[in-house]
Parts: sequence; C-alpha cells; structure tokens
Amino acid sequence: QKEVEQNSGPLSVPEGAIASLNCTYSDRGSQSFFWYRQYSGKSPELIMFIYSNGDKEDGRFTAQLNKASQYVSLLIRDSQPSDSATYLCAAKPTDKLIFGTGTRLQVFP
Amino acid sequence: DADVTQTPRNRITKTGKRIMLECSQTKGHDRMYWYRQDPGLGLRLIYYSFDVKDINKGEISDGYSVSRQAQAKFSLSLESAIPNQTALYFCATGDGNHYGYTFGSGTRLTVV
Repeated sequence: QKEVEQNSGPLSVPEGAIASLNCTYSDRGSQSFFWYRQYSGKSPELIMFIYSNGDKEDGRFTAQLNKASQYVSLLIRDSQPSDSATYLCAAKPTDKLIFGTGTRLQVFP
Repeated sequence: DADVTQTPRNRITKTGKRIMLECSQTKGHDRMYWYRQDPGLGLRLIYYSFDVKDINKGEISDGYSVSRQAQAKFSLSLESAIPNQTALYFCATGDGNHYGYTFGSGTRLTVV
C-alpha cells in the first residue's frame, strides 16, 4: 500500500465548475498535509497546507482534512482552464514529505 | 533571483559518465532535499540533509551521492550514470515547520 494515494485521473470538469481532488494516507502519525500544483515540465508550487481537522479556505481553494478517515481533499471553485495541471498531495509523517503520484486536472471551456 | 536555483536546467550525458547537479538557495532554510520525478511514479526522495553535517538516504539513494558544501548548497552526483536515471530532478528546501517545501525549477537529465 502506498503511503499517499491519489487517483491519477484525468479529472475533467467544465469551466466554472467545482473540481474535487482526493487523497488518502496510511500513516496515522502524519501531522501536516500539503497540496501542490504542477504544470507540465515545471516545478511543484505549494497551494495550501492544512494540519487541523476541518476546512481551510484560501480564495477559490478549500482544503479539507479528516484524520479519522485519513482523508484529505482539495476543492477548486469556479475552475478555470489555467487550473489545468497535476495536483500533488503530500503528507508529513516524520521529518520529510511523502508525495502521492498526483491527479491530473483538465478544465475545459 | 529564484529562491532555489538548480543547475544545469537540462543535461544529456552518456552512460558511465559522472555528473553533478547543483542546488543553491537563498531561503535560509536548514533542510534540503533531492527528489526525482518519473511519469506515473511521482516524486521520490533520493537524499536529504538537515544541516551541513547531516546527510540521510531517502527511498532511492542507490547510484547517487550528495554533498552539503554549505547551508545554502546541496549537490547531487551520479557516479556512473545509467539510462534508467533519466528523469526530472528537483531540489527542495524546508524549515521544518508546517509550511512545506520550496522547489527549484528542476534539472531534466537524459542518460544515453
């Protein structure tokens, strides 16, 4: 079992819709969780981090954490074509980040 | 200037050659990391360092070595490159808190 699992996608949503990206993790000792966006051939860019159960909102992005279910999600409201990228989920069980393989999001006009 | 700078950006090398990838940062972070990224496999940790005297192997360290020359510099070497080391390599820095890592722009390495 991978430590951080994501559906590879692609997830296709129309412009203006809500995109929902999901991630599960196996190490219950994980304290912090991160969402990175990565455009093709570019470096990962941190979008959000969360370490408390519940929701955390930043602009069009909302991260959700449920430690009991070992589940993290990222919602993108009013999706734009520029949001088309791969989204990497990461957990921090110890001193280093463990990344999932990413979900590719496609937002079509 | 970028916070985390990697050189070279692209490199093609031959099997058996020694190659060094360099990383420098201006973030002032103590922690530095080297990852490789392959299609479908995500980011995998090669080596990491929490200070100049601390070097640790990651999940895929075989065939690689590192040097932490200063707080701001962390180099990755392939002693004898092989084709399955063809990948996108990222250096990252962190300060150990909740705020995640900052990544460099990456080095695309091709071993022929």
